[in-house]
Amino acid sequence: AQSVTQLDSHVSVSEGTPVLLRCNYSSSYSPSLFWYVQHPNKGLQLLLKYTSAATLVKGINGFEAEFKKSETSFHLTKPSAHMSDAAEYFCVVPRFGGGATNKLIFGTGTLLAVQP
Amino acid sequence: GAGVSQSPSNKVTEKGKDVELRCDPISGHTALYWYRQSLGQGLEFLIYFQGNSAPDKSGLPSDRFSAERTGGSVSTLTIQRTQQEDSAVYLCASSPDGTDTQYFGPGTRLTVL
Repeated sequence: AQSVTQLDSHVSVSEGTPVLLRCNYSSSYSPSLFWYVQHPNKGLQLLLKYTSAATLVKGINGFEAEFKKSETSFHLTKPSAHMSDAAEYFCVVPRFGGGATNKLIFGTGTLLAVQP
Repeated sequence: GAGVSQSPSNKVTEKGKDVELRCDPISGHTALYWYRQSLGQGLEFLIYFQGNSAPDKSGLPSDRFSAERTGGSVSTLTIQRTQQEDSAVYLCASSPDGTDTQYFGPGTRLTVL
């Protein structure tokens, strides 16, 4: 069965410094993977998705993630944090890897704080 | 274009009362999902509708929970005899055809007193 593990529940960075949010996945085959972001009192927004076309995926707001099969990882990065990046980030895998009933399996979330 | 909308945005109810939560998916999307976000359980799948197929109800936590989707568009999630542990944010998502990308609404925050 597919699952994702977010390795940090909280990450704090200073504005202008790099962001790294870590996610490891477990799957018996190459899955699709997503990162979603949730700002306070807002809905979930898709940041980026990996669907096996390219291992380095670029998303919105300057975020990107690299799929590394050898490490079973899909870490989210951004070169320079902005105050507006403060939010909760979820690593997500769809059950059955894209087949019927794409129930999304969410990680436990990483709360990103950006200090001025 | 318009995104997924949900109503009400907040609902406070007393234990034992029934509540109905509404979701309007993106026009033309055939797949609709309900999820629940709570402090103890994180984000969890509840139910899935795809076109005219029978819904996948495998995530519903008890028989007090039910959902319907009328005319392949609007969906209502009903919780009967609410309990305090039902307090959570209920999220609706829709997808063009049941493939990967799901678009989420802002959620309904349910508080059961």
